[in-house]
Amino acid sequence: GESVGLHLPTLSVQEGDNSIINCAYSNSASDYFIWYKQESGKGPQFIIDIRSNMDKRQGQRVTVLLNKTVKHLSLQIAATQPGDSAVYFCAFAIGAGGSYIPTFGRGTSLIVHP
Amino acid sequence: GAVVSQHPSRVICKSGTSVKIECRSLDFQATTMFWYRQFPKQSLMLMATSNEGSKATYEQGVEKDKFLINHASLTLSTLTVTSAHPEDSSFYICSASLGVNTEAFFGQGTRLTVV
Repeated sequence: GESVGLHLPTLSVQEGDNSIINCAYSNSASDYFIWYKQESGKGPQFIIDIRSNMDKRQGQRVTVLLNKTVKHLSLQIAATQPGDSAVYFCAFAIGAGGSYIPTFGRGTSLIVHP
Repeated sequence: GAVVSQHPSRVICKSGTSVKIECRSLDFQATTMFWYRQFPKQSLMLMATSNEGSKATYEQGVEKDKFLINHASLTLSTLTVTSAHPEDSSFYICSASLGVNTEAFFGQGTRLTVV
């Protein structure tokens, strides 16, 4: 199975810096990947997604990179702001017959210092 | 984006009682909803997949008689924690998907505390 339930690593950055958050997955059958942001006491909020037929996708201040060869996903946040402080989770689609069952990765706590 | 509403946001109950948590898709129909449990500083762990009009599919290790799931309509799924004990205290989160391999939208979560 995928790695879940482990304690969260922390990434500390200065305001204005770029942040890179990484995620590894183990199931090569995964073909849909999503990044979520979770603030304390709230549910996850969708940031950006990418499908397995793509290597890179850009949004507003965020970029997701997918390396299927090494089963690695990353989220890049440009010009990080204090409001970006949160826990970031990657999730991936695993399922039979095309069913989408979001399974979450370990997560990373991002702390942005003003 | 689509809105998923979860209620209540916080609940405190006595040990031995049952608690019902509701998950509603407000502006779309969700044939499938998911229930997660999250411990402090940990990831979300999938508990079960809820399908409208049929029995829920539980993940390994999740007691179906303990965590009753009902998905009676395309916009509502409920999770009932039966005979709650302090170890059931946790953050419970639901999500709903618009369709196959599309993003899932999450509710605000429910903080359950069993005393």
